[in-house]
Amino acid sequence: EAQVTQNPRYLITVTGKKLTVTCSQNMNHEYMSWYRQDPGLGLRQIYYSMNVEVTDKGDVPEGYKVSRKEKRNFPLILESPSPNQTSLYFCASSPSIRLFGYTFGSGTRLTVV
Amino acid sequence: DAKTTQPNSMESNEEEPVHLPCNHSTISGTDYIHWYRQLPSQGPEYVIHGLTSNVNNRMASLAIAEDRKSSTLILHRATLRDAAVYYCILRDQTGANNLFFGTGTRLTVIP
Repeated sequence: EAQVTQNPRYLITVTGKKLTVTCSQNMNHEYMSWYRQDPGLGLRQIYYSMNVEVTDKGDVPEGYKVSRKEKRNFPLILESPSPNQTSLYFCASSPSIRLFGYTFGSGTRLTVV
Repeated sequence: DAKTTQPNSMESNEEEPVHLPCNHSTISGTDYIHWYRQLPSQGPEYVIHGLTSNVNNRMASLAIAEDRKSSTLILHRATLRDAAVYYCILRDQTGANNLFFGTGTRLTVIP
C-alpha cells in the first residue's frame, strides 16, 4: 500500500531532550515536507525537500532540523525541544514539484513538558 | 502566496449536496486552486484541483468562477464520512512546492 509512515504517533518528552520523528514513504516521491498543526493556525510548513540532499526552510523552521540522505526518508529533528513545539506534526510527500496531490502521514502528536 | 477565505463552519444533511465556498480575490494567473480535507484524527487528504475550468472526480466537483476570484467545492451527496475540515488552497506552479493551509471549513453532516 502506498503510504507515508510517521513514527511515533504519540510522544511526550521533556524540555531540552533531543528527539527525532521519522517519516518514510514507499512511493519513490522526490518531494517531502513537514508541517505542524496548531489550533486556530491551520497547518504551517516547517521544512521541505525537493530531492535527496536538497532541503529548504518553510514558514516556521526555527528549532527544527531535517535531513534527506535517502529518497524515502525525511526525519524531523528537535535538538532542544521546548514547550512551544508541542503540536501535531504531519509529514507529506508528492511525486515532484510539478505534480499535484500530496500524500500525508497520519501525524505525530508531540507534547513537550 | 495569495490567501483564501472560507467560512469557519457549515452543516449539511446526509445525502444532500453540499457547496463549500472559497474566495480568493488576489489569485494570480499561475495559481491553481486545490482542495484538501482532513478527517478527524487523520492527515489531510487531497480532494481535487483546477485552474480555470470546472473539474470532476470520484470524490467531488470543483466549480471555478469565470473571473477565478472564487470557487466552490461540491459534494454531490454528503455522507457521514464526509464530515471533515475542508481546505481551499492556492498553489503557484512557478514557485516552491508549498501548500499554505488556512483554518478551513469544518463540515458537519447531520444524519
